[in-house]
Amino acid sequence: GAVVSQHPSWVICKSGTSVKIECRSLDFQATTMFWYRQFPKQSLMLMATSNEGSKATYEQGVEKDKFLINHASLTLSTLTVTSAHPEDSSFYICSAWRQGTSGYTFGSGTRLTVV
Amino acid sequence: RKEVEQDPGPFNVPEGATVAFNCTYSNSASQSFFWYRQDCRKEPKLLMSVYSSGNEDGRFTAQLNRASQYISLLIRDSKLSDSATYLCVVKSSGSARQLTFGSGTQLTVLP
Repeated sequence: GAVVSQHPSWVICKSGTSVKIECRSLDFQATTMFWYRQFPKQSLMLMATSNEGSKATYEQGVEKDKFLINHASLTLSTLTVTSAHPEDSSFYICSAWRQGTSGYTFGSGTRLTVV
Repeated sequence: RKEVEQDPGPFNVPEGATVAFNCTYSNSASQSFFWYRQDCRKEPKLLMSVYSSGNEDGRFTAQLNRASQYISLLIRDSKLSDSATYLCVVKSSGSARQLTFGSGTQLTVLP
């Protein structure tokens, strides 16, 4: 079945530093990748949608200069949290849309803690 | 108003019980509907899609009422392993392919 590999699974970083999260589709080409954020006891909130080779579309209230998304190939999308602050601590999950199916495949998530 | 609303629970039920979750959505143009299961600190996993005609997968039955914009999930003969958060998920029409998640209903099945 379709697999999306997301790493790191967890990361602790200092305030002010940047963290890169990678999502890689292992056995299919992901033309569209979605990035979500989930705070404790809340649901997944869509941050942005990225299509391979084009700029990401950000949801209202999500700072594009802070959350940099790159989807340079059909198998890799990255989210970089720049100048991280403690309030950015959250669970970040990617999801890939597999063309030709109705399927969404989720990465295993990255738990980010900013100290 | 949230696009997808669920009763957050928690639902604490004994093993073997039948439990039902409800969900409403606000966008009448929504196209596809799903129930996902999320275990603590894990990614959501698709439990089942929801069709207007209703569909069943083992102990799980899902129903969709488009007129009322209402979705339900029924779990029969609850198992301890059913303990999780159940997410109602809606996909809007159009090419955006975005999923909108409800806040989830927490279920704990007690021995």
